Amino acid sequence: DVKVTQSSRYLVKRTGEKVFLECVQDMDHENMFWYRQDPGLGLRLIYFSYDVKMKEKGDIPEGYSVSREKKERFSLILESASTNQTSMYLCASREGTGGAGNYGYTFGSGTRLTVV
Amino acid sequence: AQSVTQLDSQVPVFEEAPVELRCNYSSSVSVYLFWYVQYPNQGLQLLLKYLSGSTLVESINGFEAEFNKSQTSFHLRKPSVHISDTAEYFCAAALRGSNYKLTFGKGTLLTVNP
Repeated sequence: DVKVTQSSRYLVKRTGEKVFLECVQDMDHENMFWYRQDPGLGLRLIYFSYDVKMKEKGDIPEGYSVSREKKERFSLILESASTNQTSMYLCASREGTGGAGNYGYTFGSGTRLTVV
Repeated sequence: AQSVTQLDSQVPVFEEAPVELRCNYSSSVSVYLFWYVQYPNQGLQLLLKYLSGSTLVESINGFEAEFNKSQTSFHLRKPSVHISDTAEYFCAAALRGSNYKLTFGKGTLLTVNP
């Protein structure tokens, strides 16, 4: 089974800190995604990547950046954490490469980030 | 842009009762549809998906969903729920031309009471 591992389950950071959230997948998938999940808002796409060093903005990229130096690792960076970035962050990896494929996303267990 | 609407934010039911979680999407052009489930304190797991072919799709734990192109719906149903089905359920859609990115609904919290 594909495994998507997020390095931290819970994280508490101070306002203004630079925060790194790490995600690693073990199935050589080209596609990786970062979502944030908030009550009543569902999942919203922050950034995604289709290949090493490739990144594209999702629906809510402001205040975030990403890094994908190796195929298996996709990092989400909060340049200067703010309290409105307190949320659950979910990383996902996807089978298939744009065209045919079963589009099944595999999610990590999430990182619950609190910014104080 | 694709949008997904889950019509109920919370659905409380009693054990062994039938349940329907409703989902509508905005476009029927080459759309692929999914239901994910999130148990407390866990990530999302794929429950079932519609890509093509038969409009009725089933999961291994008794859930089913029917793709209805004319009503742009993909409602999730189970004839008899268990306490262990208590979870949040997310409907999602991927539209050809969007590079197959998933757009999620806001989720429906299913609570099964004894």
